[in-house]
Amino acid sequence: NAGVTQTPKFQVLKTGQSMTLQCAQDMNHNSMYWYRQDPGMGLRLIYYSASEGTTDKGEVPNGYNVSRLNKREFSLRLESAAPSQTSVYFCASTSGAISNQPQHFGDGTRLSIL
Amino acid sequence: GESVGLHLPTLSVQEGDNSIINCAYSNSASDYFIWYKQESGKGPQFIIDIRSNMDKRQGQRVTVLLNKTVKHLSLQIAATQPGDSAVYFCAEKKGSNFNKFYFGSGTKLNVKP
Repeated sequence: NAGVTQTPKFQVLKTGQSMTLQCAQDMNHNSMYWYRQDPGMGLRLIYYSASEGTTDKGEVPNGYNVSRLNKREFSLRLESAAPSQTSVYFCASTSGAISNQPQHFGDGTRLSIL
Repeated sequence: GESVGLHLPTLSVQEGDNSIINCAYSNSASDYFIWYKQESGKGPQFIIDIRSNMDKRQGQRVTVLLNKTVKHLSLQIAATQPGDSAVYFCAEKKGSNFNKFYFGSGTKLNVKP
């Protein structure tokens, strides 16, 4: 099983460019999440989708937008990239139908903004 | 604000020894806790979880202990192996029906051969 797949794995952007990070899961999970991970800090929630058709802001949503395309796919868009958005981005999913279930993570997208 | 934290940023142990990684949390409403392992260049990998109605839970070579009185969580790894070298971090979920988590910054475990 692939689990959670993120594309691309690496990307370099210039300030002001836009980009969409893709995430897909094949576990029939209802809930999906986007996090960023910066050195010395824990994962911080950007946006999440509790179920297909819904999205909500997390701790650090500014500068990002998301789209829950269908049950499998949840994309993260940077409309005008800024150096402060240089980070490693992780997508995760969980059943959502049952409370207290762990999240399953992809291997991340390493994004550098010059 | 409330946060999940770790006492030691780096822990070095000898192969074969037991490892203990600690985590302090401040949210008394948290009802579910997870330990993750993250290897370099990879995403976090689930190790073990525990619900707030339990004090201890054991897996294969790993044990999680929960002390709600002092809001402390620990991960014990028995007979640590080189393959255990990674960053470990805990996550907590506040009491609610939705699985939304708060993560600690992590402890790096170095296993010396």
